[in-house]
Amino acid sequence: NAGVTQTPKFQVLKTGQSMTLQCAQDMNHEYMSWYRQDPGMGLRLIHYSVGAGITDQGEVPNGYNVSRSTTEDFPLRLLSAAPSQTSVYFCATTPGTDGYTFGSGTRLTVV
Amino acid sequence: GNSVTQMEGPVTLSEEAFLTINCTYTATGYPSLFWYVQYPGEGLQLLLKATKADDKGSNKGFEATYRKETTSFHLEKGSVQVSDSAVYFCALSRSFQKLVFGTGTRLLVSP
Repeated sequence: NAGVTQTPKFQVLKTGQSMTLQCAQDMNHEYMSWYRQDPGMGLRLIHYSVGAGITDQGEVPNGYNVSRSTTEDFPLRLLSAAPSQTSVYFCATTPGTDGYTFGSGTRLTVV
Repeated sequence: GNSVTQMEGPVTLSEEAFLTINCTYTATGYPSLFWYVQYPGEGLQLLLKATKADDKGSNKGFEATYRKETTSFHLEKGSVQVSDSAVYFCALSRSFQKLVFGTGTRLLVSP
């Protein structure tokens, strides 16, 4: 019972590089979301999806793209990495009523 | 807008001490309230929740009561253990699509 799987666990990027953070869930939930966690700021919502083909912006969407082609996968793309995107990224899913299940996170450093 | 305010940490306690972590919220309507826990190097785990006024959420010896009159959801435990050392996040949701987090409170329990 994997729940939510995020890859990679760690990544170092140079400024201007692009990359995709992967998130996969085996819980058959329609809703998935991406958060970033920064010291002293809690978790902030980047993008979310309420089902395949449907995505929307959260609180801090700039510099990130998402798409949702299947129920299981919700990748987060950084188009041109910046040092301000150094953070820990969490993917989460929920059935809607019982709270969220989070992945173990991706720690990203942009140099 | 919706927001959550948590007490600053770290909270440092000896084993078997009583724990209170304060959480107050600002929201329109009647949000659902949550406490999440994050152990070192891991993602967030749902600790407990309450969905309406006067509800008490409980799990693993932790409790929190949804107080609408004081807009609070304080986390309590009667006797903490070293294994409770973690970061605790209070959160609210007006719709399941968007969780709003507090900044987190680190708990350190010494033997």
